[in-house]
Parts: sequence; C-alpha cells; structure tokens
Amino acid sequence: GAGVSQTPSNKVTEKGKYVELRCDPISGHTALYWYRQSLGQGPEFLIYFQGTGAADDSGLPNDRFFAVRPEGSVSTLKIQRTERGDSAVYLCASSLSGGNYGYTFGSGTRLTVV
Amino acid sequence: AQSVTQLDSQVPVFEEAPVELRCNYSSSVSVYLFWYVQYPNQGLQLLLKYLSGSTLVESINGFEAEFNKSQTSFHLRKPSVHISDTAEYFCAVSGGSGGSYIPTFGRGTSLIVHP
Repeated sequence: GAGVSQTPSNKVTEKGKYVELRCDPISGHTALYWYRQSLGQGPEFLIYFQGTGAADDSGLPNDRFFAVRPEGSVSTLKIQRTERGDSAVYLCASSLSGGNYGYTFGSGTRLTVV
Repeated sequence: AQSVTQLDSQVPVFEEAPVELRCNYSSSVSVYLFWYVQYPNQGLQLLLKYLSGSTLVESINGFEAEFNKSQTSFHLRKPSVHISDTAEYFCAVSGGSGGSYIPTFGRGTSLIVHP
C-alpha cells in the first residue's frame, strides 16, 4: 500500500478483555516497529520485527503483550487481560531494512480500556 | 544505549517569529537523527533526517536542523513560523553503522503559534 495502515483507528474495550491491533506496512518494507504513545509523551518502543521474526521485543511491558508477523508483512499486536493503564495510542512504523530511509508511521490505534 | 532529551515541553511563539526547538541525544555509536511532526489526531510524519554528509539538513516547508557532534545536539529551527506549524515535534535517534536501528524518541515539544 501507499502508507502504513492501522486498524481499527479507535478501540474501546472493557478491563480484562483481549484485543488485537493490526498493522499493514508499506509493501517491501522488511522492518516493522510497534510503539505506544501515552498522552503528553513520546512514542515508547515495544517490539521490532525484521521479516517474520521478532528481532527485539525488549520494550514489551509484560507477558500480556504479544505480537506476530507470520508472513513478514501484516503484524498483529495482541493484548490479553487488558488493564486501564494500557490505554494509549499504539503506533506502527515500517522501514526498509536498516532504517536509513527513515521510518514511516501509521495513524495509530487509540485504545481505551474502561 | 541511546536517549533523547527535549528540554522544552512547550514553545509558544508569535506568527512570523523565528523558533528553535532543542534536541540533545546520547549514543555510544554513530547516529541517525530525525525530526517528526505530529498534527492533532494524526500520525507521525517525517520532517527531516540526518544520516551522513552535510550537517545542515532542510525540510520542504522551511525547517532546518543542524547536527552538532561535539554538542550532541540536533536543534530544529525555522526563521519565520506560520499558524499551520502548530503541532507536536519529536526528535528521534537511531544507531548508524553498527548501532541499533530502533529509533528512540524524545518526549516531544509542543509548538504553539499565536496570531
């Protein structure tokens, strides 16, 4: 696609529920990144994929968070047993390998846990 | 490890005045540096980047930033701002050759342009 697409744009869920957030990167971009942005803060790194594998998942806050990218393109961020503190905008970015060309971000998914 | 400091959380300025948004970084390896802009309810858009070569980089809408290795800074400047420049600006650093390609972001600076 022309840009990075994230769906849904907004998600409201009840505390304790499971949610999936989807990211469709730019075609041909092998690197994919998930970030979380809380109100008034900069994006915080969650996980980085190079192809199908998670090259670095050191930013995932706990084992309730998991992400996959089974075919090396679309990625899904999964959050189990959601908590109110998980409320944030979840951003996805993609880049050609190495990031030399910059990182293109999607518009994000605003997750609200009530 | 790498980090980014944006000391100013908010910068108010009048239209047509000059502005500087400060960014300092720390990294143990060579770096790539970026400025991103985020308009209300939109995603991050790349404004400009430094990868190598000339230390002064420019964007198409009049912003410029200068990489200063000795001061580990990458300040963003514009000689004359417009109302439409009101947005959140984020500085980011990633590793250059041999470093981590995962960009680390500052907490952002809110540029508020008054008429």
